[in-house]
Amino acid sequence: KQEVTQIPAALSVPEGENLVLNCSFTDSAIYNLQWFRQDPGKGLTSLLLIQSSQREQTSGRLNASLDKSSGRSTLYIAASQPGDSATYLCAVMGSSNTGKLIFGQGTTLQVKP
Amino acid sequence: DGGITQSPKYLFRKEGQNVTLSCEQNLNHDAMYWYRQDPGQGLRLIYYSQIVNDFQKGDIAEGYSVSREKKESFPLTVTSAQKNPTAFYLCASSITGGRNQPQHFGDGTRLSIL
Repeated sequence: KQEVTQIPAALSVPEGENLVLNCSFTDSAIYNLQWFRQDPGKGLTSLLLIQSSQREQTSGRLNASLDKSSGRSTLYIAASQPGDSATYLCAVMGSSNTGKLIFGQGTTLQVKP
Repeated sequence: DGGITQSPKYLFRKEGQNVTLSCEQNLNHDAMYWYRQDPGQGLRLIYYSQIVNDFQKGDIAEGYSVSREKKESFPLTVTSAQKNPTAFYLCASSITGGRNQPQHFGDGTRLSIL
């Protein structure tokens, strides 16, 4: 059974710092891994999707990497801003072709001005 | 604007009552999903539908029911059999139900017990 874990559960950093969020999964047979952002009381916004054949994806100040063999992904945020404060969730799509996602518990990020 | 609309934003359920959460999308997506989120946890899949008139159980379908009579609509009913319904419910859609299709989410419905 696929399990997704995110560490740390919460993180507080000063503005301008570069930071890394971690995601690990137990079954390497995945089709893709996705990173989402969730603001309080809101739905999820898709940030990056890495296909199983890819090693990384970039969007602006965000860079996500994927190492299937070790069951790990990282989300790198450069030059953090207070507006980056949110909960970041990673999710993996398993081997069945249903679009079903398995989510981690999330990392809540606070960027202090 | 294209997107996913969930209503109501807040919902209260009495003991023994069934309640229905609405999810409508105008993205022309084939696949739709319902997730449940509990405090401090990730999302868990309740039901999903890859095409009109077809749907499948997710990991925690007990106490819930759905229908998919129209492409743009995927309502979720929380029945009285669901003993712990208090949670944040999120609806999502994707172009197809296949791999490598990002899911787009609505803003959620928060359900509480009176």
